[in-house]
Amino acid sequence: GQQVMQIPQYQHVQEGEDFTTYCNSSTTLSNIQWYKQRPGGHPVFLIQLVKSGEVKKQKRLTFQFGEAKKNSSLHITATQTTDVGTYFCAGPPNNAGNMLTFGGGTRLMVKP
Amino acid sequence: SQTIHQWPATLVQPVGSPLSLECTVEGTSNPNLYWYRQAAGRGLQLLFYSVGIGQISSEVPQNLSASRPQDRQFILSSKKLLLSDSGFYLCAWSAIYNSPLHFGNGTRLTVT
Repeated sequence: GQQVMQIPQYQHVQEGEDFTTYCNSSTTLSNIQWYKQRPGGHPVFLIQLVKSGEVKKQKRLTFQFGEAKKNSSLHITATQTTDVGTYFCAGPPNNAGNMLTFGGGTRLMVKP
Repeated sequence: SQTIHQWPATLVQPVGSPLSLECTVEGTSNPNLYWYRQAAGRGLQLLFYSVGIGQISSEVPQNLSASRPQDRQFILSSKKLLLSDSGFYLCAWSAIYNSPLHFGNGTRLTVT
């Protein structure tokens, strides 16, 4: 079955440093979705990318979808303590009827 | 606007006791509904999803069951809880299949 892997599993950064998490799927995805879960909270949808090679920005966050639609990345510029949390990618494979599969998440910790 | 309600927020239950978690969605019709479980510090495991009243698909065989008695109501149940059922249970909805998910606040279940 489809597998979605995320690296790294954990990342400690100093406030102000940049952060990147990578998402890789074993199959081609019809879209890629990113979610953020604050400690003790529930996942919150951030963004969806659909097109091959698509890049979207949300303030300090930059999301990319690979040309082959099998990988994606989330880059945060100049991290802040409010960025703390776990970032999940998720994607449905191109085959119709298959369920959205989540990556294992990257837990970001920011030292002030 | 759409809202999702999930209760209770926390629950402590003895092994062998029954379970009933309820989730309701407001502001939308015929949503796709999902139950996920998250073990501490881990990723999201899809348990059940439903595309309509009375239609339930199970992703993981276990001692849990789900029901959808009304269009916007989704219930997770167990007749006898196991220690391994402890976790963070999240209900979610989406407008169409595999579109972005909107999660409830979750229920933290501890089986003792």
